[in-house]
Formats: sequence, structure tokens, C-alpha cells
Amino acid sequence: DQQVKQNSPSLSVQEGRISILNCDYTNSMFDYFLWYKKYPAEGPTFLISISSIKDKNEDGRFTVFLNKSAKHLSLHIVPSQPGDSAVYFCAASGTFTGGGNKLTFGTGTQLKVEL
Amino acid sequence: NAGVMQNPRHLVRRRGQEARLRCSPMKGHSHVYWYRQLPEEGLKFMVYLQKENIIDESGMPKERFSAEFPKEGPSILRIQQVVRGDSAAYFCASSPRTELNTEAFFGQGTRLTVV
Repeated sequence: DQQVKQNSPSLSVQEGRISILNCDYTNSMFDYFLWYKKYPAEGPTFLISISSIKDKNEDGRFTVFLNKSAKHLSLHIVPSQPGDSAVYFCAASGTFTGGGNKLTFGTGTQLKVEL
Repeated sequence: NAGVMQNPRHLVRRRGQEARLRCSPMKGHSHVYWYRQLPEEGLKFMVYLQKENIIDESGMPKERFSAEFPKEGPSILRIQQVVRGDSAAYFCASSPRTELNTEAFFGQGTRLTVV
């Protein structure tokens, strides 16, 4: 069963505009959420995270919003740049998993930023 | 400060052979995680190890797969008698010893192809 879902497999945005990537989760015990960016033939690179005690976290052009009641989070990238073109994975973890940082990943959204 | 190192980057095995994938965590990290990414899918957790201990192997297939993280040397993911369905990208991640709910850092992955 897919506990973390990214329902949009792809997204195309013009350079300079805002990119909004969405993620839904089903397990209310998750208490930490992360976004990773992945280029082809490379490993995922950490972008930004948010704890369940917050509803927003910002780092430069990247902002993550968390709506716990809706079990929904989103990643906003503004302004979008061509170098942002990659696959973005949403991931979740929780202390209920028995310690450590075992991550449950969504299936990813391919972002393409066009000139 | 080297990142997570995985080798080999690419591995080709014939059906029935053994595959050994190696992972050296970041300096100072003693938690290692292995994930598998099948084509067109997200990353799936396989196993979580600390030095000389398997903490959580709930994502490991019951047969042919094993993992270790010895006191000295890299973590090893071993797949015996490989089959075509084992073809995937295998990623290792590491995180610091004492922190929960922090980001995990990924290696570049090993792409296993079974022919």
C-alpha cells in the first residue's frame, strides 16, 4: 500500500514562474517530511524538510508547506530555473518506525522547466 | 568530507550469479540504509543497519538477499542467485548516529543489470 503519494508524474513550468509539487500521505504517524531532487543516474539530493510541528519551512527559492489535517504537503520553487529540471521525491519518516530515519518515498514528479 | 560512496556504479550479472554492492557512509555516520528503485518507481526501503547490527530488515525479500555492516569496512548488500527482476538501482544512505528526524544522505547508487 502506497503511504506516500505523488499523483502528478510530470509537471512543466516556464522559467521564472512558480513550480508547485504536491504530495499526500495516509499515515498520520509520520512526523517528518522531506523533499529530494534526483537527476538521472545520480542519487537523491536532499532539498528541504519540515517537522510536523510546523506548517511552513523556507530555504531560498524553496518553500515546503504542510497541511496536517489534509495530510498534504507541497513544495514551491520560485522562481523556477532550467537547472531545477529533475525528478522530485517526497518522503516521510516517523519515530514510530523504530528509530533511525527510515524513509517512505512517493513515486516522484518529473519537473521540466522550459526556457 | 567525502559523501556516501557506493561501488560499483554499474554491475552486470548473469542469472544465477551473486551480486555484491558496497557502501561506505559519510564520515561520522553510523546508520546505513539500503533502498531499491525499480524502473518507473520510487525508492523502496530495504534494510537499516548500524555497525554489526541489523535494526530493521522489513523491506528485504525473504530469500537471496542479505546485508551486513561490519565493525570495519563498508556495508555490503548481497544478492545470491540473481534473477532478471533484481535489475534495479540500489541506493545507500547514511545519517548521523544520534539524531532522529534528520535528512539522510544518499550515494550515487549501483545500477544492477541481470542478463
